[in-house]
Order: sequence, then C-alpha cells, then structure tokens
Amino acid sequence: ETGVTQSPTHLIKTRGQQVTLRCSSQSGHNTVSWYQQALGQGPQFIFQYYREEENGRGNFPPRFSGLQFPNYSSELNVNALELDDSALYLCASNHEGIQGQYFGPGTRLTVT
Amino acid sequence: ELKVEQNPLFLSMQEGKNYTIYCNYSTTSDRLYWYRQDPGKSLESLFVLLSNGAVKQEGRLMASLDTKARLSTLHITAAVHDLSATYFCAVPYSGTYKYIFGTGTRLKVLA
Repeated sequence: ETGVTQSPTHLIKTRGQQVTLRCSSQSGHNTVSWYQQALGQGPQFIFQYYREEENGRGNFPPRFSGLQFPNYSSELNVNALELDDSALYLCASNHEGIQGQYFGPGTRLTVT
Repeated sequence: ELKVEQNPLFLSMQEGKNYTIYCNYSTTSDRLYWYRQDPGKSLESLFVLLSNGAVKQEGRLMASLDTKARLSTLHITAAVHDLSATYFCAVPYSGTYKYIFGTGTRLKVLA
C-alpha cells in the first residue's frame, strides 16, 4: 500500500473526446509524476509537477496537460483522444529526497 | 539522451534455479530503482540503490549497482513460482525525479 490513489480504475472513451484522470498523493509529497504505460512496454514519463508548477516534461504533445493542487491531488487531462492513447496511466509521488517514487494503482484508459 | 536497457526481455526458468537480470544505462547516474509489476497491476518498489557498490537483498532477490560500468543486476536465487512477474529498472535523469524505465524483463518461473 503506497498511499497513492487514482480514479477511475477503468475508463472507455471515444476518439476525439477529452478525459481527466485523477490522483491523490500522500500528505507531504510535493512532487507528482505521470507516466503512460502501453501494453507490454515500460512506463513512459509524461510530466512532473512540483508545488503546483510543471517541472519537467517528456515527449508528449501539448494535448496532454496537468494540474497539481495544494491538497496533494493532481489531474492528467488529455484532449482529442487518439487510439494510441489507450494505455495504463500511472501517477507517482515522492517527498523531497531520493528514496524513490510511490506509484498509484493506475487508470486503464481504452480509446475506441 | 538517457537510455535504459534490460536483458533478457523474457525469462522462463525452473523453480529452484538461479538467474540474473541485467540493466544497462547510457549516462551517469548515482541512483537506480528496481520495480516489480504483476499483470494488470501497478509498480511495486523492490530496491533503491543510491551509490556505487550498493547491494540490497530481500528474500530471494538481490540487487547491485556499479555506477562506473553503468550496470545494475537483479539476481534471483532458488526461484519460486511467486516471483513470476515483470521486473523493471528505472534511472532518474541527474538531479530530477524524471525516471527512465528499462524495457522490462518478463519472468516466468515454472513449477
């Protein structure tokens, strides 16, 4: 049990729609990262937020955006969904330090 | 650009046998993390390796880090079926929490 929760667990959307995924981190965890994991692959870094500011971004287009809130919750928004966006989306949080990230259970997104 | 490679990608082994998974990375890093993932599940932290020469052991798994060789190993001793899972190593970009994950090693332990 990592103390990181995500909602919803599963989601089915149609191509072109928009989706919002949510994550709740442990209290005191100032950094949250989002990853996309396609089937059979390793997680790919989308972006990271630190104290409500974007603090690094991977190779994902601007239609992937995020927010982090003062209550240690965060959102991942994806606009204009494409079929290739179908994946497991993981959020991970950590306190300042080097002891690693704690991953949530993930949201399985299917785009049809 | 930081690249992280694991081998083998797939590993099928008999119970009771020993084996090693390798993780190579392309740029300098003094930290490396190992995770386990069961099918359809999230990532479970196994080991946090924070310095050159670090060695951590938990049960039948032992991980080590050689920062000079840019290599980490995950050694499995006397494998049991419950170890069947996919194992990932992850390396952070220097000074960041941006993790680059390896390709993963899918381990299947046969009874």
